Amino acid sequence: NAGVTQTPKFRVLKTGQSMTLLCAQDMNHEYMYWYRQDPGMGLRLIHYSVGEGTTAKGEVPDGYNVSRLKKQNFLLGLESAAPSQTSVYFCASKWGQVNTEAFFGQGTRLTVV
Amino acid sequence: SQQGEEDPQALSIQEGENATMNCSYKTSINNLQWYRQNSGRGLVHLILIRSNEREKHSGRLRVTLDTSKKSSSLLITASRAADTASYFCATDDTDKLIFGTGTRLQVFP
Repeated sequence: NAGVTQTPKFRVLKTGQSMTLLCAQDMNHEYMYWYRQDPGMGLRLIHYSVGEGTTAKGEVPDGYNVSRLKKQNFLLGLESAAPSQTSVYFCASKWGQVNTEAFFGQGTRLTVV
Repeated sequence: SQQGEEDPQALSIQEGENATMNCSYKTSINNLQWYRQNSGRGLVHLILIRSNEREKHSGRLRVTLDTSKKSSSLLITASRAADTASYFCATDDTDKLIFGTGTRLQVFP
């Protein structure tokens, strides 16, 4: 059981480039989340999904898009990266709607220069 | 912003002492959860308290919840150097899991 796996672990992008971060979970979880973590800001929710084929905006969705074509995968896209998107990105998943814990990936450290 | 706040932002104590962290949130909740993050790693779930519960224990952890004040506290008793980490509260309001800003705990041997 791998749990939640994020790919890649590190990436450096130039301003204006695009990239996709992949989150994969093998626990058959319905709910999946993308967060960004910046110093002093804690974790802020970017987008989330409550099941295959669904996505919804979180607290800071601007500049990001997501897709959940398969239940086990949640993709986070940056179409035109900006230095303000330099951050550590975490993916999480949980089984159900109520009273269930979330499991986190190890994070992707993204630098936009 | 829906994000909750935690205080203190940072806490330094000696091994054996107790550590208390507080969390305030803004929305109605189904439950409140506490997570731990070691430097550079993903978050790990510690404990979940439901909205109809007032107190919960798990080993050296004690969590309280006051929904009327929209606040929670995490107490770590008899702290150890290995407890050094950042601690986050998270509110679960049906679909979203919203995290607080975190408390950095340093436990000195």
